[in-house]
Amino acid sequence: GQSLEQPSEVTAVEGAIVQINCTYQTSGFYGLSWYQQHDGGAPTFLSYNALDGLEETGRFSSFLSRSDSYGYLLLQELQMKDSASYFCAVNQAGTALIFGKGTTLSVSS
Amino acid sequence: NAGVTQTPKFQVLKTGQSMTLQCAQDMNHEYMSWYRQDPGMGLRLIHYSVGAGITDQGEVPNGYNVSRSTTEDFPLRLLSAAPSQTSVYFCASRPLDSRAYEQYFGPGTRLTVT
Repeated sequence: GQSLEQPSEVTAVEGAIVQINCTYQTSGFYGLSWYQQHDGGAPTFLSYNALDGLEETGRFSSFLSRSDSYGYLLLQELQMKDSASYFCAVNQAGTALIFGKGTTLSVSS
Repeated sequence: NAGVTQTPKFQVLKTGQSMTLQCAQDMNHEYMSWYRQDPGMGLRLIHYSVGAGITDQGEVPNGYNVSRSTTEDFPLRLLSAAPSQTSVYFCASRPLDSRAYEQYFGPGTRLTVT
């Protein structure tokens, strides 16, 4: 089966940098994804790492270490609108996406 | 494109009632899936489908049925609703050959079972 661990809550101030970690256990690993969800709305895709290393998309970056079964999402220059829940996810047999329980990020001024 | 649509947005059921949550997408995506989201539990996969006529169970399939007769539609049926099925239900889709496995989610259906 699959399991993913991520912190339940993270707090930070505007302009800061925050890192949300994710460790996973899965068979047949295909890659690690990150999704953002505001206030119970539809989750939206942020990034995907299939190989080791850092992927950068604007203020957001995602990192993967396959040997450590570990990844993180890095958010820079935090803004109030970044307050949301963030989920890491892995693919089950390359098809179904299994999610972690999510990390609630609160950004204060 | 409307993307992924779900109906209804809200629903209240009594224990033992049955109902179907509708999900449709207009992006010609082969893969579709249903999740439920409960406080502190993240998104848990109920059922998924890789194409018309093909469905499979996810993490929490008990109490739910699905079918996939067309590429566009993937309804979720609650056979006999229970209070434990009170949740927010999300439908999602993606192309099967998506390199990043990027899923597109619908707006959700908020279900209360009394």
